[in-house]
Amino acid sequence: AQSVAQPEDQVNVAEGNPLTVKCTYSVSGNPYLFWYVQYPNRGLQFLLKYITGDNLVKGSYGFEAEFNKSQTSFHLKKPSALVSDSALYFCAVRGGSGNTGKLIFGQGTTLQVKP
Amino acid sequence: NAGVTQTPKFQVLKTGQSMTLQCAQDMNHEYMSWYRQDPGMGLRLIHYSVGAGITDQGEVPNGYNVSRSTTEDFPLRLLSAAPSQTSVYFCASSYSRESGYEQYFGPGTRLTVT
Repeated sequence: AQSVAQPEDQVNVAEGNPLTVKCTYSVSGNPYLFWYVQYPNRGLQFLLKYITGDNLVKGSYGFEAEFNKSQTSFHLKKPSALVSDSALYFCAVRGGSGNTGKLIFGQGTTLQVKP
Repeated sequence: NAGVTQTPKFQVLKTGQSMTLQCAQDMNHEYMSWYRQDPGMGLRLIHYSVGAGITDQGEVPNGYNVSRSTTEDFPLRLLSAAPSQTSVYFCASSYSRESGYEQYFGPGTRLTVT
């Protein structure tokens, strides 16, 4: 069965410092991996995805994520955090091609960036 | 494009009442889905549709019905509301059923059942 784990409920970072939000997954076949962000009282916004190709994926707002097949991880990173990055972040996974599109979400990680 | 729209934004129901949460998208997306979001549990899939006239159950379908008569609309019906259905509900759509396409989410409906 597919599953996603975000081991940290909250990540605290000082503005200007690099940030990492962790995600590990379990899926049969090749994974399709996604990161979404949710600001208070808003819907989820797509940040980036890994389908195939380069293990380092770049997305919106300066975020990037590194796919590591051997460690089954897809950690979200940003070189320099902004206070406005404070939000709830979700990692999600789908199975390989032909899947009907079911997306499995992690529990979410709250990112708090302090000035 | 308006994207994915949901109505109402907020709703309070009494136990046993029924209601329909509306979802519409104007992107001609094939795939639509409904999720509920509960604290500490991420988003869980309720029902999904891979095209007009085709629906299927997700992870937590009990107590909910869906239909997909048009490409644009995907309403979620609560048949007899229960306090356990207090949650935030999100509708999402994507271009294709294929796994590589990201989903676009609506702003959500916050439902309280007393």
